[in-house]
Amino acid sequence: ETGVTQTPRHLVMGMTNKKSLKCEQHLGHNAMYWYKQSAKKPLELMFVYSLEERVENNSVPSRFSPECPNSSHLFLHLHTLQPEDSALYLCASSQGVLANTEAFFGQGTRLTVV
Amino acid sequence: QQPVQSPQAVILREGEDAVINCSSSKALYSVHWYRQKHGEAPVFLMILLKGGEQKGHEKISASFNEKKQQSSLYLTASQLSYSGTYFCGTGPGGSQGNLIFGKGTKLSVKP
Repeated sequence: ETGVTQTPRHLVMGMTNKKSLKCEQHLGHNAMYWYKQSAKKPLELMFVYSLEERVENNSVPSRFSPECPNSSHLFLHLHTLQPEDSALYLCASSQGVLANTEAFFGQGTRLTVV
Repeated sequence: QQPVQSPQAVILREGEDAVINCSSSKALYSVHWYRQKHGEAPVFLMILLKGGEQKGHEKISASFNEKKQQSSLYLTASQLSYSGTYFCGTGPGGSQGNLIFGKGTKLSVKP
């Protein structure tokens, strides 16, 4: 069982819907991340939270809204998405700065926007 | 800024060796290697840090040439379980220090 759990595993939503992705880590880490993985593209960093504060937002459209209520939980709120937003959304956590330490990934949420 | 991985794909027979390369146009502080199997989460394999420190997997080795801004992952005596997509992530350092990942190398090990 992974130390990072994401729900739901699969999500189909219309362009006018509002949904949320959830991530929970049981590792006591102090940093959490959202990555987007599209076909034939590298993992793209979306958001970084360190000690529950957002420290990086890589020019992600405002239709994606993250929330980190505590160090164990991370949400990604979705609204008015586009079909090109269909992808695998991965959550990860680490203890300390990611460049110096390993990241633990969840299994991802496969999102399809119709 | 995205590191370049080569080859894009490789097919091996069980027991054969493989090398996966990762290169960057920017100065690097660290190189990470992850493996992702189909439908699963990426799994950490190794970190190589500037200055020579390594942390990682017992059966997989890697090198980090800081001057050339390159890293290579060495898979020896491959097993069926080695199949998957291998990603390198490069870290420029600094207080944020987040990773930029390459497009991945798909490795298939056949019996």
